[in-house]
Amino acid sequence: KQEVTQIPAALSVPEGENLVLNCSFTDSAIYNLQWFRQDPGKGLTSLLLIQSSQREQTSGRLNASLDKSSGRSTLYIAASQPGDSATYLCAGIANAGGTSYGKLTFGQGTILTVHP
Amino acid sequence: DTGVSQDPRHKITKRGQNVTFRCDPISEHNRLYWYRQTLGQGPEFLTYFQNEAQLEKSRLLSDRFSAERPKGSFSTLEIQRTEQGDSAMYLCASSLRAAGNTIYFGEGSWLTVV
Repeated sequence: KQEVTQIPAALSVPEGENLVLNCSFTDSAIYNLQWFRQDPGKGLTSLLLIQSSQREQTSGRLNASLDKSSGRSTLYIAASQPGDSATYLCAGIANAGGTSYGKLTFGQGTILTVHP
Repeated sequence: DTGVSQDPRHKITKRGQNVTFRCDPISEHNRLYWYRQTLGQGPEFLTYFQNEAQLEKSRLLSDRFSAERPKGSFSTLEIQRTEQGDSAMYLCASSLRAAGNTIYFGEGSWLTVV
């Protein structure tokens, strides 16, 4: 059974700082790993999707990496801004055949606060 | 493309009542998922459909829960005889069939059982 852990549970940084959020998973037979952002009381916004054959993806100030052998993914946020304050969730899809596709296993999230 | 749409956004109901949530996926997305999220936790998988077929159900989905996607488009999630423990946000998501495709979530439906 896939288990996903995110460290730290909460992070507070000053504006402009670069930061790294960590995600680890127990089943290395992971197919995709997706990072999401969630604002309070809202749904999830997809940030980046890393497919099994990829090692990283970039979008603007965000860069996500995936290391299947060590069971880890990181989300790097450059030059953080107060608007980046949210909960960041990582989720993996195990590579166990067609019926498991789409069954995301989420971590508990990292609550990020960027203060001016 | 208007994204995944969920209705209602908020529902307060008395214990024992039935509630139904509706989800309209992104058009042409043939996969649709339901998740449940409680405060401070990540979402948990409930069930998913490929077109109109319900292909997987979590053990979290007790017999009081039923989900349908009758024509392979919108979906409904019904909770019968609600209990206080059902209070949560119910999230719907959709994607294209190919395994490498991004999964998109709606804004969620908040349920409070009093």
